[in-house]
Amino acid sequence: ILNVEQSPQSLHVQEGDSTNFTCSFPSSNFYALHWYRWETAKSPEALFVMTLNGDEKKKGRISATLNTKEGYSYLYIKGSQPEDSATYLCALNSGYALNFGKGTSLLVTP
Amino acid sequence: EAQVTQNPRYLITVTGKKLTVTCSQNMNHEYMSWYRQDPGLGLRQIYYSMNVEVTDKGDVPEGYKVSRKEKRNFPLILESPSPNQTSLYFCASSPSGANVLTFGAGSRLTVL
Repeated sequence: ILNVEQSPQSLHVQEGDSTNFTCSFPSSNFYALHWYRWETAKSPEALFVMTLNGDEKKKGRISATLNTKEGYSYLYIKGSQPEDSATYLCALNSGYALNFGKGTSLLVTP
Repeated sequence: EAQVTQNPRYLITVTGKKLTVTCSQNMNHEYMSWYRQDPGLGLRQIYYSMNVEVTDKGDVPEGYKVSRKEKRNFPLILESPSPNQTSLYFCASSPSGANVLTFGAGSRLTVL
């Protein structure tokens, strides 16, 4: 089992705040890094897949960066909105298996 | 509509009564996988399949079986369910093992 760590475990911000989370993984087993957004009572939905060191991806107000040499990825949300409230999961793809972190639970209040 | 379909969505059963959770995808994906989600433990991979007739154990395969006789279907079989298999189960698929997953809606299983 590859250890994928996410921090913080939970986060509560006000509408309009910008925020970021961290995903740490063993850099020796890297093939790709996935980010998913998981709303309560729904299924996880893919945000990004990142493969190259230095990769930066953006989708609306959400962006992510990747450092494969040191084994971490950051997810940023600019100007958080209540609809951004969800659990954000990262997953390490080692080429065949996908190991998920436990997620960061984000609550955005008006 | 491209999707992953799981059935049943909810099931309450008793210890030892064999059950199968079906999973079907209509996207011609080669890779399929099963996960269970438990509070505080996140998503843990049970089994995965890189292609037809190719399956492999994930992190928590004990008590489960799978088969991949055709590309679109990947059923999860609990031969003799036990209460510790009470969980929320997700099936997922992707074009290959390297791509992001498309998840099914989840199946909530309770074993009494």
